[in-house]
This record gives sequence, C-alpha cells and structure tokens, in this order.
Amino acid sequence: EPEVTQTPSHQVTQMGQEVILRCVPISNHLYFYWYRQILGQKVEFLVSFYNNEISEKSEIFDDQFSVERPDGSNFTLKIRSTKLEDSAMYFCATSREGLSEAFFGQGTRLTVV
Amino acid sequence: AQTVTQSQPEMSVQEAETVTLSCTYDTSENNYYLFWYKQPPSRQMILVIRQEAYKQQNATENRFSVNFQKAAKSFSLKISDSQLGDTAMYFCAFMKVGSNTGKLIFGQGTTLQVKP
Repeated sequence: EPEVTQTPSHQVTQMGQEVILRCVPISNHLYFYWYRQILGQKVEFLVSFYNNEISEKSEIFDDQFSVERPDGSNFTLKIRSTKLEDSAMYFCATSREGLSEAFFGQGTRLTVV
Repeated sequence: AQTVTQSQPEMSVQEAETVTLSCTYDTSENNYYLFWYKQPPSRQMILVIRQEAYKQQNATENRFSVNFQKAAKSFSLKISDSQLGDTAMYFCAFMKVGSNTGKLIFGQGTTLQVKP
C-alpha cells in the first residue's frame, strides 16, 4: 500500500538553527500539506501546496517557514531560525485531489533546545 | 471561520463494548466533509471514516459508524465491539469544499482507552 514517508523521524536542533523536514508523497498525489502538533495539543494546519505554489497558509506559517518541492519528488518544510516553541510533531500529508482523503506520514518530532 | 469542538478529553470503555465520541462544529458553509482520524501511540494519523455533508446517510466502516446531524452540527463516532487496538487519540476534522485547498481543521482530540 502506498504511503507518505517523512525523514527524519526525530530531529534535535539548537535554537536559531535552520532545519529542513522532508516528505516523499504518494506518487500520483498532487496536493501536499504540512501540519504540526505540539505535544498533547490538537493538530494544526500550516500550509497547503499545489501546482508548485502555496494555495493556503495559516497564521502560524510566518516568514520563518517555507515550503518547496525542489526535485519533483520530495516536499520540504524549512524553518529558518528555530525557536523553542517550534518544538512539535510535524506531519506531512498528501492527497490525490484537493477534496479527497489526505494520507499522513508518520511525522517528524522536532525538538528545539 | 470554522471551528471543531470535542468536549470529551478522555474516555474509557471495556473491551467488546460500544463507545461514542462526540464532535460538534461551527460553520456557515453548506457543503463540506467531516472526518474522524485515529492517532495511536505511534503518533501516525490514520483516517477512520469520512462523511460528505450532502449525504443524509450516515457513513459506516466495519465497526465504526457516525451519527451525522447536519442541523445540529454534530458528528459523533460510534465504535462497536471495542478492541484493545482501538486505544488511541481520536480527532474529528472538518474540510470546506469551496476552497479546494484540502485544509483540515481538527478538534482538540479525545483519548480513548480500551480496557481488557
């Protein structure tokens, strides 16, 4: 069964450092998303990406965040200068169409120290 | 703006019994989708069931079924014959149809413990 793959599974980084979280979508999916979940809290939408551009982003997704699909396969989330409050589980999700079921990756646990 | 509320932070049920998780939502949209996702201790998000707002018939998926009350903006999940593997956090989620971005809005989650 096809699945969304995220790497790394766990990343520890120092405050102020840049991190890149990677996602390999399901091959025929066209819509890509990033969500985050601070420990014990609800899952929050960050950004949706379609046709090589952002289609919607949340208030959380400020100038410190960026997304791209550099090689047509990987979908990445970059945090330019991490803050302690960026510590969370980050989930990549993909869907075949904008209104179809979203499949989630297993998540990347980001710890900022 | 849409909001999703799950008023039960934690619930427990005996194995083989039935449990119902509550979800209410607020929206001015007429066309939308509703979902229940399961998050086991592994933290992966797994789709349990989906309901289209335009369908009056409640969705079912094996032991999982929903009670969708559009006028009341209520979307509860019933798990029948609970199994130990059902222990997880369950999230209710809303998706607006009009924007076509696929954005999901999640509730706060309900932690379900199935006891042997």
